[in-house]
Amino acid sequence: QSALTQPASVSGSPGQSITISCTGTSSDVGGYNYVSWYQQHPGKAPKLMIYDVSNRPSGVSNRFSGSKSGNTASLTISGLQAEDEADYYCSSYTSSSTPVFGGGTKLTVL
Amino acid sequence: QLQLQESGPGLVKPSETLSLTCTVSSGSISSTAYYWGWIRQPPGKGLEWIGSIYYSGNTYYNPSLKSRITISVDTSKNQFSLKLTSVTAADTAVYYCARHSSLRSPLDPWGQGALVTVSS
Repeated sequence: QSALTQPASVSGSPGQSITISCTGTSSDVGGYNYVSWYQQHPGKAPKLMIYDVSNRPSGVSNRFSGSKSGNTASLTISGLQAEDEADYYCSSYTSSSTPVFGGGTKLTVL
Repeated sequence: QLQLQESGPGLVKPSETLSLTCTVSSGSISSTAYYWGWIRQPPGKGLEWIGSIYYSGNTYYNPSLKSRITISVDTSKNQFSLKLTSVTAADTAVYYCARHSSLRSPLDPWGQGALVTVSS
């Protein structure tokens, strides 16, 4: 059960859009539409931002969107704001009937 | 609104057993709709799913930790628990509990987390 691959860091200026990728295999990301994204601010618990590839929970800004192509899922944040600066983790269901997380991506708002 | 709270010793000696409890409030752990999970995060590192339990007691574990983990549920106390045996410094982490609708579903909500340090 290998961790999903995410870039260690991404950055963008306020108002811009950024995309964070999450690469797996056909046994996880590519095989199921069960990809979630979590936001984690320092010292805080993760917060669900996207589930089932592209669905937003109630209360999450529509600036956050998710997609998937093949074995890679993506989280896009548009209209970057200072409060978006955080760590982001993807997660996927796997063929082992268990979830797996990505290594995490640190988003810096310049 | 459902809330989860982790509790347990913050310091455990190497080779001993780490024990944590998650107390669920404003909701019943006996709900047939949900699974209850444990996730950990070593300092400065990423998230790792440890395992989950259904209210009936069926358990699902991370294969890499399976030999050392026991997750149990106490419906009378609205709690579920984690035991991790033979701990080493590599088990030092913030341990979170969370709820999910199934093993395919996202984890939401999460507890605030509990730091457990393994050190003599």
